[in-house]
Amino acid sequence: NAGVTQTPKFRILKIGQSMTLQCAQDMNHNYMYWYRQDPGMGLKLIYYSVGAGITDKGEVPNGYNVSRSTTEDFPLRLELAAPSQTSVYFCASGSRTSGSSEQFFGPGTRLTVL
Amino acid sequence: QKEVEQDPGPLSVPEGAIVSLNCTYSNSAFQYFMWYRQYSRKGPELLMYTYSSGNKEDGRFTAQVDKSSKYISLFIRDSQPSDSATYLCAMTPRAGNNRKLIWGLGTSLAVNP
Repeated sequence: NAGVTQTPKFRILKIGQSMTLQCAQDMNHNYMYWYRQDPGMGLKLIYYSVGAGITDKGEVPNGYNVSRSTTEDFPLRLELAAPSQTSVYFCASGSRTSGSSEQFFGPGTRLTVL
Repeated sequence: QKEVEQDPGPLSVPEGAIVSLNCTYSNSAFQYFMWYRQYSRKGPELLMYTYSSGNKEDGRFTAQVDKSSKYISLFIRDSQPSDSATYLCAMTPRAGNNRKLIWGLGTSLAVNP
């Protein structure tokens, strides 16, 4: 199993550009999450999904959109990129039947908006 | 007041030291408590989890939960340079939260040879 994969690893965007961060998991997990992590600020939940076709906002959803058309994929869309979206983005997944509520993380995408 | 408080450090210890990492929380509904380890430029990975109160031991690591004080701890015995990482606590209520975790900010730990 590859676990949770994210692409790209790094990206530099210009202000106003758009991009999609890709996330895929091969563990058949129901739950998927997008976080951003800024120095000294911890992990902030952007969006999450409890299954295909169902998504909901987290703490910091403004400027982002998501979709979940399959169990495996959970892309994050940035429209009109702003310098405030410079961050490391992590995708995670979890099983509905897990007794530990464990989340499995991808390796992250480092995004810089200039 | 944040729901979960965690001292960001950094914490620097010599190899072989006992390390104590802590988090406090305010929501008495939290039932599942986790410690994640995050190496530099990597995603977090689950290190330990406990349900409700008590201790759990796994090798050199011990997780402790004191629900009466709303306080959790992670102890690392015989610390090694490979333990150098950021340690994040996370917690969640029993049910109904769609497995969303409430995170501490993380404590940066450096174990010096």
